[in-house]
Amino acid sequence: DTEVTQTPKHLVMGMTNKKSLKCEQHMGHRAMYWYKQKAKKPPELMFVYSYEKLSINESVPSRFSPECPNSSLLNLHLHALQPEDSALYLCASSQDHPNLNQPQHFGDGTRLSIL
Amino acid sequence: QKEVEQNSGPLSVPEGAIASLNCTYSDRGSQSFFWYRQYSGKSPELIMFIYSNGDKEDGRFTAQLNKASQYVSLLIRDSQPSDSATYLCAVKAESGGYQKVTFGTGTKLQVIP
Repeated sequence: DTEVTQTPKHLVMGMTNKKSLKCEQHMGHRAMYWYKQKAKKPPELMFVYSYEKLSINESVPSRFSPECPNSSLLNLHLHALQPEDSALYLCASSQDHPNLNQPQHFGDGTRLSIL
Repeated sequence: QKEVEQNSGPLSVPEGAIASLNCTYSDRGSQSFFWYRQYSGKSPELIMFIYSNGDKEDGRFTAQLNKASQYVSLLIRDSQPSDSATYLCAVKAESGGYQKVTFGTGTKLQVIP
């Protein structure tokens, strides 16, 4: 169990569906992250929110839409995904600037399968 | 291209031996360095982090950082079969006013009973 909670743990959806991934942390962290990880590959950064504002968008397709309702919650809205989007989606949080040395803590991830 | 490089392995060591995992990075502005352990199908779990040159020890784990050589390593003493996993090196640096973490491709460690 981690202090970053992700739901659901597994999600199977069709290419025309709309779904959302949710992430919650209560560690008082002000930076939250979405990563995508394919099998046998390292996590790839998708989005960074710092103090509830989107600070990094790694040129992710618009079918992925992040939302940060408050400092504890981070959502990832999914629409019209492609089969190649099937992956493990990881949420992480950390203390943010000015302390550069704090690590990111990961949730257990959501395993997403696109049919 | 800012990169973090690791040998993908697998690195096989006998139980009780020392496992040595290495990582090099290209961005001289990198400031924080992290080692994560990832079991198959699970999320990365933080093992250690280091930001000053030298060694940092925590139980059976020692992280070593040499900024001049742009090299960070993780030593695992008295390796156990439960240490068998993929170890990800992650490097944090400021980019465009924000902090970014770049992961290496990971080294798969196999501890043989």
